[in-house]
Amino acid sequence: DTAVSQTPKYLVTQMGNDKSIKCEQNLGHDTMYWYKQDSKKFLKIMFSYNNKELIINETVPNRFSPKSPDKAHLNLHINSLELGDSAVYFCASSRDKGMFFGPGTRLTVL
Amino acid sequence: KQEVTQIPAALSVPEGENLVLNCSFTDSAIYNLQWFRQDPGKGLTSLLLIQSSQREQTSGRLNASLDKSSGRSTLYIAASQPGDSATYLCAVRITGNQFYFGTGTSLTVIP
Repeated sequence: DTAVSQTPKYLVTQMGNDKSIKCEQNLGHDTMYWYKQDSKKFLKIMFSYNNKELIINETVPNRFSPKSPDKAHLNLHINSLELGDSAVYFCASSRDKGMFFGPGTRLTVL
Repeated sequence: KQEVTQIPAALSVPEGENLVLNCSFTDSAIYNLQWFRQDPGKGLTSLLLIQSSQREQTSGRLNASLDKSSGRSTLYIAASQPGDSATYLCAVRITGNQFYFGTGTSLTVIP
């Protein structure tokens, strides 16, 4: 039933490690996004894919690399994690009827 | 570049009161505007979506209005309840599937 799902929900890791977050949507939407929400709750767009093609790539470190194997999936890989990467990462998808969000992945870098 | 502002940043009201949350945007060339609710530690839940050609949308105790010319939207919550306590965010969509989010209003409804 879940429209937009993300795994894992929580991720605790050491500085310098590489980690991935997976996202899947079953809404048939063409566009998917990754957002970062910081401690002040501000949502910042990171990437957007439309039909597996990158259309928005905001200024984020190149340690962050999105991958869209198909329209229903958009994964986020992060290399060499830093303390400042600690945040909640949200996947979302959209079509004409607005945007729908996943439950978020809380990343804590120690 | 589109900028979206929500005032106030925090609001505390007694249960049963009617309230209005505000959302302002700088560029009126929007495709639609969406209101979300975020509970602590949770994702965003869509509440109402207003297309650029519409003036308002209603769902239960919620009513959202849109005035594109003045760059404003309001979310009206009638007869507030403690369960309405959450952060409310508005987002405007422009062409190219780009969304701009406001900074949110944290609402507390006191029993």
